[in-house]
Amino acid sequence: QLQMKESGPGLVKPSETLSLTCTVSGDSISSSDYYWGWIRQPPGKGLEWIGSIFYSGSSYYNPSLKSRVTISVDTSKNQFSLKLNSVTAADTAVYYCARGINMAATGHQTLFDYWGQGTLVTVSS
Amino acid sequence: DIVMTQSPDSLAVSLGERATINCRSSQSLLFRSNNKNCLAWYQQKPGQPPKLLIYWASTRESGVPDRFSGSGSGTDFTLTISSLQAEDVAVYYCQQYYNTLTFGPGTKVDIK
Repeated sequence: QLQMKESGPGLVKPSETLSLTCTVSGDSISSSDYYWGWIRQPPGKGLEWIGSIFYSGSSYYNPSLKSRVTISVDTSKNQFSLKLNSVTAADTAVYYCARGINMAATGHQTLFDYWGQGTLVTVSS
Repeated sequence: DIVMTQSPDSLAVSLGERATINCRSSQSLLFRSNNKNCLAWYQQKPGQPPKLLIYWASTRESGVPDRFSGSGSGTDFTLTISSLQAEDVAVYYCQQYYNTLTFGPGTKVDIK
């Protein structure tokens, strides 16, 4: 059974960098069948896709966040990571990692069939 | 970006009755290469991550009860719960994967 778990600081100061890691168990992150994504949800609000990565390292970002986001993958550890720099209070959210299905037709533009439980990151001094 | 809207914002339905949620996209989600619509539906219960229910607008994910069904094409889509159960109380989101991924704002479903 696939499990995904986010880890990282729950509190980040404004202007600093938010760093999270997603550890995947029960499946190989090196599979060509999937992309691996980050999605966030501000408290009481809706969902926003941050970006996705393929095991090869090819990454794709939401244009609205692209200038501040880096997603990387470590296949040896079966993990992928998110870095979001220059954070503000508007970046306070529950951050989810999720598995995206590679449906060939749409590539990295896909849906997510497995999600981690999410981790709340608060941006505050 | 494709903007997704949902209606209503919330609805309350009696147990066993039908619940209908609408989702509209700002441009067509019909993918020409396979003639399918790039639209997914998720269910999110309080304190939990979203759960995939439907993809390609009408294909039910494995293990999802058949009381959940999706329909529509182009820019207008519907999620129907044919007979609402207590465990269906949740927020439901649509998501397009035609291009840069975007989600609808969500529809909250409660018991009347």
